Amino acid sequence: AQTVTQSQPEMSVQEAETVTLSCTYDTSESDYYLFWYKQPPSRQMILVIRQEAYKQQNATENRFSVNFQKAAKSFSLKISDSQLGDAAMYFCAYRSARETGTYKYIFGTGTRLKVLA
Amino acid sequence: DTGVSQNPRHKITKRGQNVTFRCDPISEHNRLYWYRQTLGQGPEFLTYFQNEAQLEKSRLLSDRFSAERPKGSFSTLEIQRTEQGDSAMYLCASSLEWSQWTEAFFGQGTRLTVV
Repeated sequence: AQTVTQSQPEMSVQEAETVTLSCTYDTSESDYYLFWYKQPPSRQMILVIRQEAYKQQNATENRFSVNFQKAAKSFSLKISDSQLGDAAMYFCAYRSARETGTYKYIFGTGTRLKVLA
Repeated sequence: DTGVSQNPRHKITKRGQNVTFRCDPISEHNRLYWYRQTLGQGPEFLTYFQNEAQLEKSRLLSDRFSAERPKGSFSTLEIQRTEQGDSAMYLCASSLEWSQWTEAFFGQGTRLTVV
């Protein structure tokens, strides 16, 4: 069974600085998707960024980028130029890409990000 | 319709009562998921549907929990004989099979409090 681990329960960053959130996962599959979701205090989760395992290039979305290390099964999220609105819970998630696989999303326990003014 | 809608947003019930939650996915999405989230934890998978077929249920899901998705549109999650341990946020999400955008879109959740 696949698992997702986020070892940082809480992180803090100064406004305008850069922060990296860690995520590791365990799977025997070779084809899968990885996601970072943000959950603000209003609790609706929204997608931040996603990565296809077959792509070697790291995904980037504006101030958000990932460091995807497939061999190490690591998928960290870097937030540049942190803003107050980035404060939220961040969840790392895994989903199989195989047609015969399960399509459920498996989430880590989350990292609470605080942005200090 | 621009998102996943869940109703009610909040539900307080007495232990032993039955409750039912509704989820309306994004209209063209054929996959629908239910998750449970307790404070400070990540979403825990409960079950998911592809169209009207329930394809997977968590082994942790008690037989007091049942979900349906008639006609492959909205879904309901029913909890019978609620217990205090059922208190949680229940999240619904939907996604589109074969879409290049594989991510799930989440609703705002239904917060259940069992007293």
